[in-house]
Amino acid sequence: AQSVAQPEDQVNVAEGNPLTVKCTYSVSGNPYLFWYVQYPNRGLQFLLKYITGDNLVKGSYGFEAEFNKSQTSFHLKKPSALVSDSALYFCASVRAGNNRKLIWGLGTSLAVNP
Amino acid sequence: GAVVSQHPSWVICKSGTSVKIECRSLDFQATTMFWYRQFPKQSLMLMATSNEGSKATYEQGVEKDKFLINHASLTLSTLTVTSAHPEDSSFYICSARDHSGGWNEQFFGPGTRLTVL
Repeated sequence: AQSVAQPEDQVNVAEGNPLTVKCTYSVSGNPYLFWYVQYPNRGLQFLLKYITGDNLVKGSYGFEAEFNKSQTSFHLKKPSALVSDSALYFCASVRAGNNRKLIWGLGTSLAVNP
Repeated sequence: GAVVSQHPSWVICKSGTSVKIECRSLDFQATTMFWYRQFPKQSLMLMATSNEGSKATYEQGVEKDKFLINHASLTLSTLTVTSAHPEDSSFYICSARDHSGGWNEQFFGPGTRLTVL
């Protein structure tokens, strides 16, 4: 079965430190991979995507993610965390086939401490 | 950028009543819209895929007669929760994909918090 895993329910990091939110995938074929962020009681905001090309993808708000095919990972990173980055982060991948429905990870709650 | 709106942002209703939630793409045409529900501190659960001018495709386990979806135009899809019960209380989120057909990210609405008393 195709799936997306976010192994950490919660990540805590001090403001100014680098942050990593992990994501691994199990999707047949060439995966399309996405990161979204959700602030409390809000919808999801798109951060970045990997479709093809460079393995390092840069996105909104200083975030980036690296596609690693051998490790089937797409970890989200930021060099210096801000308190305002505290939110729920979702990794997603598109399902093989023509319907293009997203497969979602369970989410990782990021807390950046001042 | 692409904007998707939802209305209402929150609604409280009595058990047995029906509630309609609107999802609009404000600056692009969306041939496909998706409806999700999200329980507290959980991931999104896809309920159905809504295609303009045709019947929605429901995910397994989602009652199509309870969650009525209409996608009558390229900018509007509606979800009607019929005969709502407390277990239908949830955060409902829609998303829209633009008309171009290429792979573009889904644009999400801000969500609707439904509370059924």
